[in-house]
Amino acid sequence: EAQVTQNPRYLITVTGKKLTVTCSQNMNHEYMSWYRQDPGLGLRQIYYSMNVEVTDKGDVPEGYKVSRKEKRNFPLILESPSPNQTSLYFCASSFGDFNEQFFGPGTRLTVL
Amino acid sequence: GQQVMQIPQYQHVQEGEDFTTYCNSSTTLSNIQWYKQRPGGHPVFLIQLVKSGEVKKQKRLTFQFGEAKKNSSLHITATQTTDVGTYFCAGQSGSARQLTFGSGTQLTVLP
Repeated sequence: EAQVTQNPRYLITVTGKKLTVTCSQNMNHEYMSWYRQDPGLGLRQIYYSMNVEVTDKGDVPEGYKVSRKEKRNFPLILESPSPNQTSLYFCASSFGDFNEQFFGPGTRLTVL
Repeated sequence: GQQVMQIPQYQHVQEGEDFTTYCNSSTTLSNIQWYKQRPGGHPVFLIQLVKSGEVKKQKRLTFQFGEAKKNSSLHITATQTTDVGTYFCAGQSGSARQLTFGSGTQLTVLP
């Protein structure tokens, strides 16, 4: 089944404790991205990747890192999480930036 | 940077009534996409519009892209309870690789 998976689905952590949210897709998509969703603000793009080893900042990249060492995986790294990073995070992939985005199920992160 | 405004933020309708959400961009868009997110779910792609003045229909849903490619709308005829959710537009400008989402319209359909 074609899908985008994210782990974990739920995470409660404390300020400053490094964490990684994994994202994997099995559709051989080149384009992958991370979004955060906050009430009233819609989906805001954090980082995106056009292909392996090619990443770029979205609208809200501060406090996040990403890597794209393999085509299928695009982890989101929070080196030192802060409470303002409490949010619902979505990973998405597509054949190209111009195409339909397939979203993962989401990761709800709470930073205390 | 590019901004995409979407109104209204919330809409409550009685089942059977029509519904429309509007999207406006601060820049000319190369394409616009529409997504639906059910409560507790993830965004799901509905359609993409590329051409100036384009109109596309999916059953009771009608999507329009403005002549100037700076605005778009989604119209649902005779809403049903299955239409409940948040509808997002998302646009790209020029050669930008980013997809900028509007803030969404949360639709509630009262039976």
